[in-house]
Amino acid sequence: QVQLQQSGPGLVKPSQTLSLTCTVSGDSISSGSYYWNWIRQPAGKGLEWIGRIYVGGSTNYNPSLKSRVTISVDTSKNQFSLNLSSVTAADTAIYYCARVSGWFDPWGQGTLVTVSS
Amino acid sequence: QSVLTQPPSVSGAPGQRVTISCTGSSSNIGTGYDVHWYQQLPGTAPKLLIYGKDNRPSGVPDRFSGSKSDTSASLAITGLQAEDEADYYCQSYDGSLSAYVFGTGTKVTVL
Repeated sequence: QVQLQQSGPGLVKPSQTLSLTCTVSGDSISSGSYYWNWIRQPAGKGLEWIGRIYVGGSTNYNPSLKSRVTISVDTSKNQFSLNLSSVTAADTAIYYCARVSGWFDPWGQGTLVTVSS
Repeated sequence: QSVLTQPPSVSGAPGQRVTISCTGSSSNIGTGYDVHWYQQLPGTAPKLLIYGKDNRPSGVPDRFSGSKSDTSASLAITGLQAEDEADYYCQSYDGSLSAYVFGTGTKVTVL
């Protein structure tokens, strides 16, 4: 059974960089069969795709966030990570990681990240 | 930005049938990209409900079904049960944006 376990701080100061990691178990990122993604959901709102990475390191980002997002992969640890720079209160949300082959499945447990001083 | 539009809410009595629409455009659903559906129970991560052409992951009851036509898609829930009360999202790919896109979300209430 594939599981995605998220880790990272729940509180980030304005203008700083939000960093989260997603550790994959039950599957190998190196298999090259899937894209590995980040999604976020502000409280009481809908889902927003942030971006994805493929095993070779190729990435695609949501145009609305592209200038501030970096997604990277560490195949030795079977992990992928999200960095979102210059955060503001508008970036406060639950962040999810997910495996994708057209559809998103499975999802990580979610991490509430609050941007506040 | 949500480029797929869903009704904010739908409701029905136990045992009834409800449908949720997902309206897109020629750059996503209309191009032929598949539509997938997710169920999100309060306080939990979304869960895959329907993928591709009306396929259900193991464990998802056949009361849930999906369909697609032109630039829109629909999720049907037959024999509505109290446990179906949740938020539902459609998802596809947009070729113009080169991005995955989600619907605005629909809250299903069981009366």
